[in-house]
Amino acid sequence: AQTVTQSQPEMSVQEAETVTLSCTYDTSESDYYLFWYKQPPSRQMILVIRQEAYKQQNATENRFSVNFQKAAKSFSLKISDSQLGDAAMYFCAEWAGGTSYGKLTFGQGTILTVHP
Amino acid sequence: GAVVSQHPSRVICKSGTSVKIECRSLDFQATTMFWYRQFPKKSLMLMATSNEGSKATYEQGVEKDKFLINHASLTLSTLTVTSAHPEDSSFYICSAPLGGSPYNEQFFGPGTRLTVL
Repeated sequence: AQTVTQSQPEMSVQEAETVTLSCTYDTSESDYYLFWYKQPPSRQMILVIRQEAYKQQNATENRFSVNFQKAAKSFSLKISDSQLGDAAMYFCAEWAGGTSYGKLTFGQGTILTVHP
Repeated sequence: GAVVSQHPSRVICKSGTSVKIECRSLDFQATTMFWYRQFPKKSLMLMATSNEGSKATYEQGVEKDKFLINHASLTLSTLTVTSAHPEDSSFYICSAPLGGSPYNEQFFGPGTRLTVL
């Protein structure tokens, strides 16, 4: 079974500053994918960034980047130049090979507050 | 981009009645869809995997007779909460993966807030 753990229930950051959200996972599969999703107050889930486990290079999407430490099973999200619109609940998620295609295991979530 | 819709967005019902929630992929075909339940400020809990043309696969602890899932076409899956009770009040979200690779984006519906009085 897969488990995804987000140990920070809440985080806050000043506008224009950088914040890092933590995530650890546990899987016995060799083929897996990791994702960060954003859920704003509208509750619409939005994909922020994704990482294939076999790729060593950390994924980057504009102001969002990850620090993927495969041996440590760690997958943190860094948000640079934080904006008010980044305020949301963030979920780390994993899809592991061998499970149903698309079946995601989510972490507990981290509520991010951005202060002006 | 691809869109997944849910209907209704909100529903209030009396205890003991049944409620149907629809999940549609608007511009792509989805042989698989997923149904999640989410409590306020909590994570998404996978309830079941909906498979077009076959029976749904339920997660452990989810009552299949209470949460009926029907995936009648490549663009529509429905979740029926039967004999709803106040403890079934929650936010229900569906999702559908796009394409044949797990790397492809999975699209989520906007969710349905169910309140059982």
